[in-house]
Amino acid sequence: GEEVAQTPKHLVRGEGQKAKLYCAPIKGHSYVFWYQQVLKNEFKFLISFQNENVFDETGMPKERFSAKCLPNSPCSLEIQATKLEDSAVYFCASSQREGRDYGYTFGSGTRLTVV
Amino acid sequence: AQSVTQLDSHVSVSEGTPVLLRCNYSSSYSPSLFWYVQHPNKGLQLLLKYLSGSTLVESINGFEAEFNKSQTSFHLRKPSVHISDTAEYFCAVSVTNTDKLIFGTGTRLQVFP
Repeated sequence: GEEVAQTPKHLVRGEGQKAKLYCAPIKGHSYVFWYQQVLKNEFKFLISFQNENVFDETGMPKERFSAKCLPNSPCSLEIQATKLEDSAVYFCASSQREGRDYGYTFGSGTRLTVV
Repeated sequence: AQSVTQLDSHVSVSEGTPVLLRCNYSSSYSPSLFWYVQHPNKGLQLLLKYLSGSTLVESINGFEAEFNKSQTSFHLRKPSVHISDTAEYFCAVSVTNTDKLIFGTGTRLQVFP
């Protein structure tokens, strides 16, 4: 399809529980990016993939966050043992080849609330 | 390092008047620049992008932005705003070697009737 599909739209987890978010990129797009939007305005880059390979993971808090993009499956972002500070909207984006040359399409986000 | 500064956190204008949302960037390379719009509780929608070529970029809904290399700016303009333009607007630059986006902190545009 022509949209980046993120599921679920909303996720509520108790502190310490696991959270798993999914992203289906646009068909034919080989790059996938995850961003965390906190405090309504601030976007933080987490990780990017080129097909199933990690491209840049400099933004990932590695102790509790992990991500995968496997062939023929939606990409996933998993948070083990969530903390209150993980409450945010998580956006996924995909691009055809290099985004700086072609642009990026964002999904509608997953709102994670940790209580 | 690349960065983006959005100079106005909040802009309020009346419907039918022009608006200017300011964005300055810092980049060592020829940048790719983007404007995204986020309506309340919605995702990010691409408004327009500058990748190369003509410095004036237009969107289908009346917005335009001009890439100014000497002033390192990519300001967003619309000659006549509508109430439906009320939203948060984000300017972003693409980091050349990793392809990730660096976002500004956003400008909230409020359009009054």
